[in-house]
Amino acid sequence: DGGITQSPKYLFRKEGQNVTLSCEQNLNHDAMYWYRQDPGQGLRLIYYSQIVNDFQKGDIAEGYSVSREKKESFPLTVTSAQKNPTAFYLCASGRGRGQPQHFGDGTRLSIL
Amino acid sequence: GENVEQHPSTLSVQEGDSAVIKCTYSDSASNYFPWYKQELGKGPQLIIDIRSNVGEKKDQRIAVTLNKTAKHFSLHITETQPEDSAVYFCAASTGMIKAAGNKLTFGGGTRVLVKP
Repeated sequence: DGGITQSPKYLFRKEGQNVTLSCEQNLNHDAMYWYRQDPGQGLRLIYYSQIVNDFQKGDIAEGYSVSREKKESFPLTVTSAQKNPTAFYLCASGRGRGQPQHFGDGTRLSIL
Repeated sequence: GENVEQHPSTLSVQEGDSAVIKCTYSDSASNYFPWYKQELGKGPQLIIDIRSNVGEKKDQRIAVTLNKTAKHFSLHITETQPEDSAVYFCAASTGMIKAAGNKLTFGGGTRVLVKP
């Protein structure tokens, strides 16, 4: 089945540690996105990519990094510079400008 | 940048009644408005969307209306069922404008509870 796969479902980070969240899609979508969701709140855009080897900062990019080496993959690294990383992270993909975004089932990141 | 306000934050309805969620947006250039349903522990699922050249769109028990002049759009769910219980998000995008890229700005969400 076509879709977006995020892994792992749960992730724990130690102080000073970088962690990487995986996002893979087989929908042949050009655009991919990362959002952060805090309890009881809406989604905030971290980074997005419209094409391979290109990405732009969203509204809350500080403390995060991404890469887009392949069309189907858009991993997110939460660095030690992100002081409040505990959140639900959602990856999405879409065909492009003004098109629907389709979401994975998220990764819940917590601090040990 | 775009700002999207969503109301109410919680909504409790009796099964069979209608539910209405309202959103306002700030950027008059926004032209694409999707609605998402999110169940506990899952990612949001697109349930309906509307573009600025259309005033209303309906899909079975779900409808969305758009008032560009007033810069607000609404989701209507008729004949609500317990499985409609979830968190609903509205969003707005200036997706057709090059400088804005593909950014969606989301409202804060509405938790809907349908009581049997």
